[in-house]
Amino acid sequence: DIQMTQSPSSLSASVGDTVTIPCRASQDIRDALGWFQQKPGKTPKRLIYHASSLQSGVPTRFSGSGSGTEFTLTISSLQPEDFATYYCLQYNTYPFTFGPGTKVDIK
Amino acid sequence: EVQLVESEGGLVKPGGSLRVSCAASGFSFSSAWLNWVRQAPGKGLEWVGQIRSRVDGGSSDLAAPVKGRFTISRDDSKNMLYLHMSSLRTEDTGVYFCSTGWSAAAHDGYWGQGTLVTVSS
Repeated sequence: DIQMTQSPSSLSASVGDTVTIPCRASQDIRDALGWFQQKPGKTPKRLIYHASSLQSGVPTRFSGSGSGTEFTLTISSLQPEDFATYYCLQYNTYPFTFGPGTKVDIK
Repeated sequence: EVQLVESEGGLVKPGGSLRVSCAASGFSFSSAWLNWVRQAPGKGLEWVGQIRSRVDGGSSDLAAPVKGRFTISRDDSKNMLYLHMSSLRTEDTGVYFCSTGWSAAAHDGYWGQGTLVTVSS
């Protein structure tokens, strides 16, 4: 199975900061990677698909990059509503696998 | 507007069975690949399985922890997705979400609100 790692598991940031969240795959997954935001008690929301394509309706301060095994989610000018946990998902190879998540909280 | 609404989950004893369903609307259900994802209390997301559209074969793939115990099915005439769970274990406890596919189709990337399944004696 492909292992997805996300480190750090949490980070602290301030409103207006630019935040980068890394995700690493244990094998080449090409660009078959999505990013999801989840707030406590809420349904996950897809932000990015195919590593860098923005989901319709998602603010443009969210962007994704990378291919192969190294990926990054960038949030430019962090807003109060962006404090949440972010998960990556590989869907290149069965079984699909999520990363353990990175929680972004207020500094 | 894409909408996915899971049925109510429930409390089941270990070894028991339960079926949860997901009612879909707002998109071409028959052409969609669909997923189940779960989340144990206080834990991260775990992919459970995926079912392909009928035109793409209609088969399903399941994660190792549920293979042989869970099955996924769909009824395109009713726009319904199902997760049949048997031989339930306490570690199957969690919120179960249905979702559309992970790719670039206009209907991809949407999730239901989730339903809580509790396995306990």
